[in-house]
Amino acid sequence: SQTIHQWPATLVQPVGSPLSLECTVEGTSNPNLYWYRQAAGRGLQLLFYSVGIGQISSEVPQNLSASRPQDRQFILSSKKLLLSDSGFYLCAWSGAYEQYFGPGTRLTVT
Amino acid sequence: GQNIDQPTEMTATEGAIVQINCTYQTSGFNGLFWYQQHAGEAPTFLSYNVLDGLEEKGRFSSFLSRSKGYSYLLLKELQMKDSASYLCAVMGGATNKLIFGTGTLLAVQP
Repeated sequence: SQTIHQWPATLVQPVGSPLSLECTVEGTSNPNLYWYRQAAGRGLQLLFYSVGIGQISSEVPQNLSASRPQDRQFILSSKKLLLSDSGFYLCAWSGAYEQYFGPGTRLTVT
Repeated sequence: GQNIDQPTEMTATEGAIVQINCTYQTSGFNGLFWYQQHAGEAPTFLSYNVLDGLEEKGRFSSFLSRSKGYSYLLLKELQMKDSASYLCAVMGGATNKLIFGTGTLLAVQP
């Protein structure tokens, strides 16, 4: 069966510091992968999606970036965090039609 | 444009039935999804509708009317553990991305 992992589970970072969040998927090949952010009391906002290694599409302009160095690895990064980057970051992979989410990383920028 | 509307909050009684509505306007339509999200956790997939009609899965059913841009999630025999946010999402557009509503927070009371 397929599983999706994210780490770390929680993170507190100062403004201006770098960020690296990692997501890995097991049990499937060449999945579509997604990064979402959920701000407090808000809906899920799609940040990036990838249909294959090295293929990244960005949905909104921001100071975040994503990379897919391996088939089942998806990384979200920032060179300098902003206060507005705080939120719940979710990685997801898509099956036949539905998307399955990882456990998420709760990021607090102070 | 793309827009998904659902009520912000609902309250229901244990053992009762509750219907959570969702209306949408999207460019292209390739399916409507319902997810459940408990506080502090990732969303979990509940149901998928692509054709008009009712899909039943245990205590949960989901209905779709494409001509009206309308769906509802029906929860029967409510249990306390059903207290959660319920997210409506539509897959559409050229890239089959999921667009999420802001969710309906359901509180089940004894």
